[in-house]
Amino acid sequence: DAGITQSPRHKVTETGTPVTLRCHQTENHRYMYWYRQDPGHGLRLIHYSYGVKDTDKGEVSDGYSVSRSKTEDFLLTLESATSSQTSVYFCAISGNRQGQSSYEQYFGPGTRLTVT
Amino acid sequence: QKEVEQDPGPLSVPEGAIVSLNCTYSNSAFQYFMWYRQYSRKGPELLMYTYSSGNKEDGRFTAQVDKSSKYISLFIRDSQPSDSATYLCAMSVSRDSSYKLIFGSGTRLLVRP
Repeated sequence: DAGITQSPRHKVTETGTPVTLRCHQTENHRYMYWYRQDPGHGLRLIHYSYGVKDTDKGEVSDGYSVSRSKTEDFLLTLESATSSQTSVYFCAISGNRQGQSSYEQYFGPGTRLTVT
Repeated sequence: QKEVEQDPGPLSVPEGAIVSLNCTYSNSAFQYFMWYRQYSRKGPELLMYTYSSGNKEDGRFTAQVDKSSKYISLFIRDSQPSDSATYLCAMSVSRDSSYKLIFGSGTRLLVRP
């Protein structure tokens, strides 16, 4: 257990509404990631963070923004949700507790988001 | 063409069978290779990881990398119904977290009792 929680676990929202998903980790890992998982596409990186207030775009970042104001929390925001953003969203962490890099990523339980 | 290709399955085998799961990739710079197991409605969990070519064994699981063919495999011996899951391969050019992990789309495995 890498000490990662995600909230909410399930959400249904309407097109055009803002949505924020939260990832919380308890073990001081430096790197945090947001992925979406869709049938036939596997896991695709949306954004990642390499430290407090340090973030960068991934493969499918359009329509998403992120923030990391403290080490333990990484927020993913859909400013105006669209039906194409219906997906399962996973948060992941990597790096050991001393802040060293590591390619091994550990995943949270996921958030199932439906945009109607 | 995707950087990492994986047959989606499903692969259905009887209990006790040896299972072979495979990924091919196009980027010869990949050096770190991982296998994740994902149960239905759960997050992926890291199963095994290997560096460069060769084999790595952990209990009933063996990971094999053939860089000359750009091909990696995961073998499961004495498969159990509890092994039924989706298996994703992932790879990276560096052990540094700043380099992206590239995932295959996963192979669904069903082990029949």
